[in-house]
Amino acid sequence: EDQVTQSPEALRLQEGESSSLNCSYTVSGLRGLFWYRQDPGKGPEFLFTLYSAGEEKEKERLKATLTKKESFLHITAPKPEDSATYLCARKRPGKSTFGDGTTLTVKP
Amino acid sequence: KAGVTQTPRYLIKTRGQQVTLSCSPISGHRSVSWYQQTPGQGLQFLFEYFSETQRNKGNFPGRFSGRQFSNSRSEMNVSTLELGDSALYLCASSLEGGFSYEQYFGPGTRLTVT
Repeated sequence: EDQVTQSPEALRLQEGESSSLNCSYTVSGLRGLFWYRQDPGKGPEFLFTLYSAGEEKEKERLKATLTKKESFLHITAPKPEDSATYLCARKRPGKSTFGDGTTLTVKP
Repeated sequence: KAGVTQTPRYLIKTRGQQVTLSCSPISGHRSVSWYQQTPGQGLQFLFEYFSETQRNKGNFPGRFSGRQFSNSRSEMNVSTLELGDSALYLCASSLEGGFSYEQYFGPGTRLTVT
């Protein structure tokens, strides 16, 4: 059974202060690793899919990377509008397992 | 392309009643999954449907059930509601059900059981 653990639970940054969020999982292998962003009261919004160790994807101030056992979401020079909960998930046919998320707050 | 839609958006029910929630996936998507989200438990997988067949079910009691229609629209039903069923219920669709296809979520249905 795949388990997904995210750290830290909460992260407070000043605007422009770069940092990274971690997502680790127990079962390696050929599965997708997905990152989502969720704003309060809304459904998660898809950000990235990663498949292979060493793979990287970027979108604006976000960059996701993948190793055999974990993924990182790097946030460069964040802005207040980046404040949200970031979720990662592993997927196999028929089921996705989500981490509990990292709640990011960016202060101006 | 229109996104995933869920109806109703908000619902208040009394303990013991039953409720049906509806989800319309993105056009062309054949896989629909349902999740329950609460502050204490995070996103919990309920079940997934693909081409009208339930392919997997999470660890929820039999009071939670669902179905998918030939047009890929899906419904989930919760019978004999309990206070602990209060949650945000999210539906997600993907093109296929395999591990490589990302899911797109609807806005959710906020269910409050009193």
